[in-house]
Amino acid sequence: GAVVSQHPSRVICKSGTSVKIECRSLDFQATTMFWYRQFPKQSLMLMATSNEGSKATYEQGVEKDKFLINHASLTLSTLTVTSAHPEDSSFYICSARDPRTSPDTQYFGPGTRLTVL
Amino acid sequence: TQLLEQSPQFLSIQEGENLTVYCNSSSVFSSLQWYRQEPGEGPVLLVTVVTGGEVKKLKRLTFQFGDARKDSSLHITAAQPGDTGLYLCAGGGAGNNRKLIWGLGTSLAVNP
Repeated sequence: GAVVSQHPSRVICKSGTSVKIECRSLDFQATTMFWYRQFPKQSLMLMATSNEGSKATYEQGVEKDKFLINHASLTLSTLTVTSAHPEDSSFYICSARDPRTSPDTQYFGPGTRLTVL
Repeated sequence: TQLLEQSPQFLSIQEGENLTVYCNSSSVFSSLQWYRQEPGEGPVLLVTVVTGGEVKKLKRLTFQFGDARKDSSLHITAAQPGDTGLYLCAGGGAGNNRKLIWGLGTSLAVNP
């Protein structure tokens, strides 16, 4: 159980375009999902917390108009990187909390490698 | 602000050696998670510990949660090349959304 999928796994786009990344909980309902960004050989940096049916909570320094998050259902959250620039190139990972297990434990998707040319 | 210090940051050892990774904080956590991540993939949950003094074993991996729930350790016995990866600890329970507080990670390389 507690499987999280993420799509696409890899995307290359031109500067100025927008990219949407999907995160799905496959075998459980997730009222809360999290979006992280990770730089090479570094730990995870939380970008925002996504709650089903309400606005996302963004961490300090993360532009909410740049990184649009939508959590329209209990199994799907999306992150849209708007007007992407090369500095947005990174590894983006989502996670979901499974209410059937420990309230703190998060299960992660496989990540999305974004490259902006 | 809650912080979680993880050490060592890098570790390169020979196959068969033992190692211990530490996560320490001045804050109390409701739980402590350990994850392992391979390059280009998402972190995979290894264990969650919730009780002070708790010890959990996963094959050659032993996890311990400190009595005061402020620290944790991961001990690997007879490391194998397949143990190579980034090990991350995360303390749970912060804020209304219960977001995790992350250590900086330990990059482990086990050489054959």
